[in-house]
Amino acid sequence: EAGVTQFPSHSVIEKGQTVTLRCDPISGHDNLYWYRRVMGKEIKFLLHFVKESKQDESGMPNNRFLAERTGGTYSTLKVQPAELEDSGVYFCASSQDAGVTSYEQYFGPGTRLTVT
Amino acid sequence: AQSVTQPDIHITVSEGASLELRCNYSYGATPYLFWYVQSPGQGLQLLLKYFSGDTLVQGIKGFEAEFKRSQSSFNLRKPSVHWSDAAEYFCAVGSFSSNTGKLIFGQGTTLQVKP
Repeated sequence: EAGVTQFPSHSVIEKGQTVTLRCDPISGHDNLYWYRRVMGKEIKFLLHFVKESKQDESGMPNNRFLAERTGGTYSTLKVQPAELEDSGVYFCASSQDAGVTSYEQYFGPGTRLTVT
Repeated sequence: AQSVTQPDIHITVSEGASLELRCNYSYGATPYLFWYVQSPGQGLQLLLKYFSGDTLVQGIKGFEAEFKRSQSSFNLRKPSVHWSDAAEYFCAVGSFSSNTGKLIFGQGTTLQVKP
């Protein structure tokens, strides 16, 4: 069974440009999460989808970030326009939506975003 | 506010030596606790978890952790470290409610293993 995949693995863009990150969760996982780790800091929650619905987007930094999960499968996270402070590693995670197993989140390798 | 503290940013141990990584949490209710490991170029891998019951939990790769409610701690241990254990380790507490299940992470501890 394939794990959580993320694309691209690394992206370097200039300030003001747009970048779209993609996450493919484990097949059958209804829960999908985005997290971010800024250099030297802890991994922080951004938002949580259940299928195609946003359950919690309390961690989204500002309205330059837009997450979608059309059809309840893969998700995209768009940053527009990117700022220097957006640099970091963006992780995606997924979990089943069945009782206690929903608490076990499986993470992708992350996308390293560098804004210059 | 919910938080997780990993006091040691970097730890170096010799191969074959024992290991203990510290984790303290602040959480209002009974916590769900996790340890993840990230090897270079890899995603975060779940080592072990505590939900309830026996406070000593066993995980993969020979790791174990003990939940101590009185100390608000969930320290990770391994009796004998292997060179392949060199990685970054993250402690996390689950903030779960009816509508969300986010993890709150500590800052991570980087483990270096000396030959």
